[in-house]
Amino acid sequence: QQQVKQSPQSLIVQKGGISIINCAYENTAFDYFPWYQQFPGKGPALLIAIRPDVSEKKEGRFTISFNKSAKQFSLHIMDSQPGDSATYFCAASGTSGTYKYIFGTGTRLKVLA
Amino acid sequence: NAGVTQTPKFQVLKTGQSMTLQCAQDMNHEYMSWYRQDPGMGLRLIHYSVGAGITDQGEVPNGYNVSRSTTEDFPLRLLSAAPSQTSVYFCASKASGTDTQYFGPGTRLTVL
Repeated sequence: QQQVKQSPQSLIVQKGGISIINCAYENTAFDYFPWYQQFPGKGPALLIAIRPDVSEKKEGRFTISFNKSAKQFSLHIMDSQPGDSATYFCAASGTSGTYKYIFGTGTRLKVLA
Repeated sequence: NAGVTQTPKFQVLKTGQSMTLQCAQDMNHEYMSWYRQDPGMGLRLIHYSVGAGITDQGEVPNGYNVSRSTTEDFPLRLLSAAPSQTSVYFCASKASGTDTQYFGPGTRLTVL
C-alpha cells in the first residue's frame, strides 16, 4: 500500500513534442505529490508539486494532472527540449507529522534535437 | 549558502569495513533524511530525522545507523559494509511547515 508505480521506465521524444510520465499510488493518506528532476551526477531537484485539492497545476512548460478517484497523477512536459533530458521521479508523502517520501522508480527521458 | 553538502563524493570499501557518510546543511532545516538510489528502484528512504535528537527508520534501515546531535549534521554509519550496500546515497533536508525537500550531490559507494 506504500508503493508508487511509475511508467514508462524510459521515454524518447522529439524536440517540440509532449512528454508524459504517469504515476499511480495506493495509500489514500498521501496528500502531497512532487515531481523531481535529476541530471546525471547530480541530486534530484524539485520540479513541480501538487496537492489533491486541485486537479491540475501548471508551471511554465510543466503540468501535473491529478486524478484523485483513480489515484493517479502525471507529468506533462510541453514543447520538450534537449535540456529536459534527465531522469524524472514522482513521489508521494503524507502530512501526518511524519517525513516519509515514497518515490517512484524513475523515468529516463531523452529529447532528440 | 552551501545548501546540503555530502562527503565523500566517492568511496570504495571492502566487505566488513565500517565508515560514516557525512551530511550537513546550513539552512537551519529541521527535517533531514538519507536515501539510497539503485538502478530501476528509484530512491528508497533509509532513515530520517524531524529534529535534533529524533530519528526514525525508513523503508530500508537494516545495516545503517544514524544520529542527530545538531540541527546541521546528520551522519549515516555503515557498521559492517556488504556488497548489497553498493549504491548512490543522497542526503536531503526540508524546513518544517514547508514541502520542498533539498537534496545533496550524493556519495557513490562501492563495497567489494
